[in-house]
Amino acid sequence: ETGVTQTPRHLVMGMTNKKSLKCEQHLGHNAMYWYKQSAKKPLELMFVYNFKEQTENNSVPSRFSPECPNSSHLFLHLHTLQPEDSALYLCASSQGLWTSGGETQYFGPGTRLLVL
Amino acid sequence: GDSVTQMEGPVTLSEEAFLTINCTYTATGYPSLFWYVQYPGEGLQLLLKATKADDKGSNKGFEATYRKETTSFHLEKGSVQVSDSAVYFCALSDPDSSASKIIFGSGTRLSIRP
Repeated sequence: ETGVTQTPRHLVMGMTNKKSLKCEQHLGHNAMYWYKQSAKKPLELMFVYNFKEQTENNSVPSRFSPECPNSSHLFLHLHTLQPEDSALYLCASSQGLWTSGGETQYFGPGTRLLVL
Repeated sequence: GDSVTQMEGPVTLSEEAFLTINCTYTATGYPSLFWYVQYPGEGLQLLLKATKADDKGSNKGFEATYRKETTSFHLEKGSVQVSDSAVYFCALSDPDSSASKIIFGSGTRLSIRP
């Protein structure tokens, strides 16, 4: 049991749809992350939040919009996506920036997204 | 910048064989080093970690030793099982970085034949 849950586990959407991915961590952590994992490509860090503040945006297109209402929840709002956005989207959490031992990240199971 | 290089897969072994997956890194500071494992259809799980030179991380029969002189963190297991079939990621976290980022290698797919 990872302590990080993600919903939905699978999502199929058209290019004109709007959907949201949800991540929740039950570990008392203060930092949360979104990653994109595409076939045959390295893991791509998308966003980092620390104590609800966004600390990193890795040049992610604006059709991906993150939201972190509190330290336990992280959302990724999706709109007008492209087929090349189809991937596994992974959420992770850690104790937080500049925290001793805080660098270890714990991952959720991911949301498998297919954009038609 | 910081980077992680791990051996390309896929790696296919027979059950009970000895496993080594090589990993080397470059970092400006003194990073923590990790091995993560991803089983089919799942997210990444922390397998083991080491936070300073000469530390050995171990879990589920897997071991890796933090070698600063060779900037390596090779993963080993003495006798693999079919259930070890997964993708293995080597990673580092540089505590001197302003962001709590982990740099991942590209992953090595391991398949174990019964």
